[in-house]
Amino acid sequence: EAGVTQSPTHLIKTRGQQATLRCSPISGHTSVYWYQQALGLGLQFLLWYDEGEERNRGNFPPRFSGRQFPNYSSELNVNALELEDSALYLCASSLTEGPDTQYFGPGTRLTVL
Amino acid sequence: LAKTTQPISMDSYEGQEVNITCSHNNIATNDYITWYQQFPSQGPRFIIQGYKTKVTNEVASLFIPADRKSSTLSLPRVSLSDTAVYYCLVESGGTGFQKLVFGTGTRLLVSP
Repeated sequence: EAGVTQSPTHLIKTRGQQATLRCSPISGHTSVYWYQQALGLGLQFLLWYDEGEERNRGNFPPRFSGRQFPNYSSELNVNALELEDSALYLCASSLTEGPDTQYFGPGTRLTVL
Repeated sequence: LAKTTQPISMDSYEGQEVNITCSHNNIATNDYITWYQQFPSQGPRFIIQGYKTKVTNEVASLFIPADRKSSTLSLPRVSLSDTAVYYCLVESGGTGFQKLVFGTGTRLLVSP
């Protein structure tokens, strides 16, 4: 069974640009979660999608947005990039919206210059 | 929203048992406790999940006292490859909105 996949692996942008990160969940999983992990720090919850709807978001400004497609894959968009947006962005998926195991992808390393 | 507190770091030697405790004083009735392991530049990996008492799988045990305000992850006979960051997560069960709040994580260093 294929795991959670994310693309691209690395992304380099400059301040003010927009970044788009993609995530494909495990087949059959309907929930997708996005996290930000700055270097040396813990995971910060960003967004949660389930069945195409945004269910909740963490404490991040509106320039962080995303969507979930009918095939349950998801996209994270970061507008007006700032230097402090440089981080590892992790996507996870789970089977239900209950306390089910989250399966994480390898992450996208975003560097903002 | 249950906030978790863990030790920032722990040191151990190969072959020893390691116990990492997580405090979650505001845990709600529907909340579960999940532990993840993370290696550098990789996504976290599920280790174990529990609701109350004790849960054991092939890699770890999870002890949860009756009041559920804390939990202890026990790793038997650690090896060098267990060096990683361990996260305690309190996850809301049932339907409705959830917020997934990882704690600060405990950095475990296993030495020869």
